Amino acid sequence: GAGVSQSPRYKVAKRGQDVALRCDPISGHVSLFWYQQALGQGPEFLTYFQNEAQLDKSGLPSDRFFAERPEGSVSTLKIQRTQQEDSAVYLCASSLLRKGVQETQYFGPGTRLLVL
Amino acid sequence: QKEVEQDPGPLSVPEGAIVSLNCTYSNSAFQYFMWYRQYSRKGPELLMYTYSSGNKEDGRFTAQVDKSSKYISLFIRDSQPSDSATYLCAMRTMNRDDKIIFGKGTRLHILP
Repeated sequence: GAGVSQSPRYKVAKRGQDVALRCDPISGHVSLFWYQQALGQGPEFLTYFQNEAQLDKSGLPSDRFFAERPEGSVSTLKIQRTQQEDSAVYLCASSLLRKGVQETQYFGPGTRLLVL
Repeated sequence: QKEVEQDPGPLSVPEGAIVSLNCTYSNSAFQYFMWYRQYSRKGPELLMYTYSSGNKEDGRFTAQVDKSSKYISLFIRDSQPSDSATYLCAMRTMNRDDKIIFGKGTRLHILP
């Protein structure tokens, strides 16, 4: 079946612009995660949803970052007033349920954001 | 000091060689250890996971955990050009609210 999809795959924004990144998780996956991966680094956790509830947003770097998942499926990560340091790949992952440690997170291909 | 340390490479080895990839960590509460493979411009995919110290084998891949030394390894036997990718170690505690912590990844090139 289809995996996690993300759009757009690439986004170039001028500093100060707002951007919205979309994630379509695997159908039926309850848990959804957003990560930020800077060049040459591993993914770093941003936020986590279980269905429509945002249970953990401790990794969001500033109040310019906002995520939502209003119907418990598609999620959007919004970055307001983008800064150059926001340039990174934004990865979305989904899993059946974040319960114990046996679930596998399936990652999308990421959205590569470049802020000029 | 970061919680998880991983040499970024790049590591270049000839086809057919045994590859050894390693990570060290500082948080003794980590109990669940994973290796992800990430091809260029793709998302990470889970290769292997282990719960405890010791070895776990899956085909050409062996994951090894030494909790006493806070050291984990991934061995790739009979390496192939298609193994060329970035390999990320990752780990977490057993607390369901805790996040996965990734290493920065090691870039591996298998030379034909």
